[in-house]
Amino acid sequence: GAVVSQHPSWVICKSGTSVKIECRSLDFQATTMFWYRQFPKQSLMLMATSNEGSKATYEQGVEKDKFLINHASLTLSTLTVTSAHPEDSSFYICSALRLAVIYEQYFGPGTRLTVT
Amino acid sequence: SQQGEEDPQALSIQEGENATMNCSYKTSINNLQWYRQNSGRGLVHLILIRSNEREKHSGRLRVTLDTSKKSSSLLITASRAADTASYFCATDARETSGSRLTFGEGTQLTVNP
Repeated sequence: GAVVSQHPSWVICKSGTSVKIECRSLDFQATTMFWYRQFPKQSLMLMATSNEGSKATYEQGVEKDKFLINHASLTLSTLTVTSAHPEDSSFYICSALRLAVIYEQYFGPGTRLTVT
Repeated sequence: SQQGEEDPQALSIQEGENATMNCSYKTSINNLQWYRQNSGRGLVHLILIRSNEREKHSGRLRVTLDTSKKSSSLLITASRAADTASYFCATDARETSGSRLTFGEGTQLTVNP
């Protein structure tokens, strides 16, 4: 089956620092990946669509200069949270789009970010 | 903004009972999907139902879709303690491109042994 990995699975950082989260499709190529954020006991909110070889498309209200997305290859997208603040603490989940009969999203296991 | 609304927000049942969760949405869709999420973990895809389908089964899962009412239900039969998780519906809206999904608020299911 299609497998998507995320690294790291959890990270603790200090306010003001930057954190990079990787999302990899392990056994398929993905021209499109998505980044979601999930606060405790809440649903997933789409942050941005990551397109290989082009700029990411951000959802309304998501600061593109704060959440840098790079989709440099067909199997890797990275999300960098710049100048992190405690309110950025959240569960970040990526997904990769794979074309089968229809396009299906395969989700990574998530990254827990805690900013102190 | 989230277009999916789910009810109930929380559901607690005994093992062996059936669990029904509902999802409503606002726009025309290509398909609707149901996911499960164990606490602090990633999403597990359960089932996808297309806009031209009305009912779909997968093991103990039964999903219905009523596009006229813009609603869907997920039925888990003969529930088990291991079914305890959050369940989310997600819609692939027809007017958006690129298969973007919009998630509902979720239902927290607790199955008591």
